[in-house]
Amino acid sequence: GAGVSQSPSNKVTEKGKDVELRCDPISGHTALYWYRQSLGQGLEFLIYFQGNSAPDKSGLPSDRFSAERTGGSVSTLTIQRTQQEDSAVYLCASSLAGSAGGFFGPGTRLTVL
Amino acid sequence: RKEVEQDPGPFNVPEGATVAFNCTYSNSASQSFFWYRQDCRKEPKLLMSVYSSGNEDGRFTAQLNRASQYISLLIRDSKLSDSATYLCVVNGGAGGATNKLIFGTGTLLAVQP
Repeated sequence: GAGVSQSPSNKVTEKGKDVELRCDPISGHTALYWYRQSLGQGLEFLIYFQGNSAPDKSGLPSDRFSAERTGGSVSTLTIQRTQQEDSAVYLCASSLAGSAGGFFGPGTRLTVL
Repeated sequence: RKEVEQDPGPFNVPEGATVAFNCTYSNSASQSFFWYRQDCRKEPKLLMSVYSSGNEDGRFTAQLNRASQYISLLIRDSKLSDSATYLCVVNGGAGGATNKLIFGTGTLLAVQP
């Protein structure tokens, strides 16, 4: 399809394990965002990539979280030594530019036991 | 002060009612404004952009007041299917990696039969 895709759709892991979440943005979109959303809560900004600019990492909650965007396309969000409070839906969005409206993927539901 | 502020609601209205949501933003340099809709346990979807001159899409009207730094969304003749959380979104406005989309926490609308 032509939309943003994310994988896996669901991930259950044990506390202390590392996880990788993947986002495939819409082709040609230079901006890519990661957010997370806990049940009943608003969107929490994590990280923003825009073209070749240095990413805005100001939303990453701890140094256990990191993200990469390879070749200006696919992005991977990595959470090391997962904790129960990391349980949430992780949403990726992409847009033509930072000033344009973003389109979200369906999210990855992460559950840390 | 939050960068984007919204009344969390809930707004409980009968079918056919007109309902208005307001949102304020703190960064006077912001250039792009949007309303998103999020259904329960789904990803946010772009509803409409907001232009300085105001814009209308069917039953939905969005307006921007730059001087007062607020954005509004008016829904006329509300339907049961309009029940959702409405998110106000503003871009950072400073260019480069700071030009990211900033989401309000959303306003919950429940349309009653």
